[in-house]
Amino acid sequence: QKEVEQDPGPLSVPEGAIVSLNCTYSNSAFQYFMWYRQYSRKGPELLMYTYSSGNKEDGRFTAQVDKSSKYISLFIRDSQPSDSATYLCAMTNTGGFKTIFGAGTRLFVKA
Amino acid sequence: EAGVAQSPRYKIIEKRQSVAFWCNPISGHATLYWYQQILGQGPKLLIQFQNNGVVDDSQLPKDRFSAERLKGVDSTLKIQPAKLEDSAVYLCASSLFPRSYEQYFGPGTRLTVT
Repeated sequence: QKEVEQDPGPLSVPEGAIVSLNCTYSNSAFQYFMWYRQYSRKGPELLMYTYSSGNKEDGRFTAQVDKSSKYISLFIRDSQPSDSATYLCAMTNTGGFKTIFGAGTRLFVKA
Repeated sequence: EAGVAQSPRYKIIEKRQSVAFWCNPISGHATLYWYQQILGQGPKLLIQFQNNGVVDDSQLPKDRFSAERLKGVDSTLKIQPAKLEDSAVYLCASSLFPRSYEQYFGPGTRLTVT
């Protein structure tokens, strides 16, 4: 079993839709959770960062963490064609010495 | 604030040749990471430096890969000799760890081994 599971998609939605992206993990030592956006041929760009269970909102993006279920989500409201990219979840253990990335979900937002 | 710089951006070599990648982190970031990202996969951590010391290199294939971070700033990653399966994007990231865990990535070096 992989430590982090993320559906690779692709996920195709119409412009304006609410997008839900998810990851599950197996190691309870992971305490810090990040979401990155990666455009084709670019490096990952940090979108959201959280270390507690619950929701964190930043503009159109909401990150949700449920440590009891070992499940994290990223919601994108009013999705735009410019949101078309690969979204990577990442998590780090308490000591900060182990970072694992999911495989990434490819998102296409159609105008 | 300048981001993480990497060079070269692209490199094509033949198998069994050697190659080196360079990274300059964000100013003031003590922690530097090298990742390997194979097409269609997420980045895999190869090595993590804090200042100029190695804190995790458990996934670095040490028979062919080496990395150094002299003076706790710039870093180089070397592959010698390269194999076909080393074709990937090599990403460098830096962070203010242990003060924070957010990692900031450079544009990457795309390596093709033929």
